[in-house]
Amino acid sequence: DAGVIQSPRHEVTEMGQEVTLRCKPISGHNSLFWYRQTMMRGLELLIYFNNNVPIDDSGMPEDRFSAKMPNASFSTLKIQPSEPRDSAVYFCASSLSWTDDYGYTFGSGTRLTVV
Amino acid sequence: GENVEQHPSTLSVQEGDSAVIKCTYSDSASNYFPWYKQELGKGPQLIIDIRSNVGEKKDQRIAVTLNKTAKHFSLHITETQPEDSAVYFCAARARMDSSYKLIFGSGTRLLVRP
Repeated sequence: DAGVIQSPRHEVTEMGQEVTLRCKPISGHNSLFWYRQTMMRGLELLIYFNNNVPIDDSGMPEDRFSAKMPNASFSTLKIQPSEPRDSAVYFCASSLSWTDDYGYTFGSGTRLTVV
Repeated sequence: GENVEQHPSTLSVQEGDSAVIKCTYSDSASNYFPWYKQELGKGPQLIIDIRSNVGEKKDQRIAVTLNKTAKHFSLHITETQPEDSAVYFCAARARMDSSYKLIFGSGTRLLVRP
């Protein structure tokens, strides 16, 4: 398996533009997680899905952020409009189950820079 | 909700020495404690985990201990090598309402000096 695949690896955009981050989880994993990593706040859970259904989006910072999982093999995280404070590394992770004790497999992340 | 504190934030050791990273958690209901290693430009990678019904677990040069009473757990790396240099994160899985969350510590930057 190729692991969790994220695209793009790097994204530079201007303030106010729409940004879409993409994730392909490991085949057979039922849970998908979006995290944001910054120096100041560390790793923050934004939202997670189980069987394509959003379970908890309490970590989504604002209405400018939205996430979808239209099928078991694809998820997007969208920011519209983007702001400089959204600059961070965004990670997608997947797991066999959200209730049992399975570790998460993380993707390589998308480094977002909003100028 | 769950809060995970991790210490130290940076740790420098000589190659061959041992390294210990400590974490405390606040929610006594947390029952799963993984450790992740993050190398530069990569995502965190699971290196070892422990469940609340176990006090210690070893995997070659890596070991994790858990003290449920004190609500703390530690990562021990023996015979450190330069390739162990990375940022290490502890985490605790907490149940909040009907959802489960993995809450991460703030990370420890480990430098192994050749």
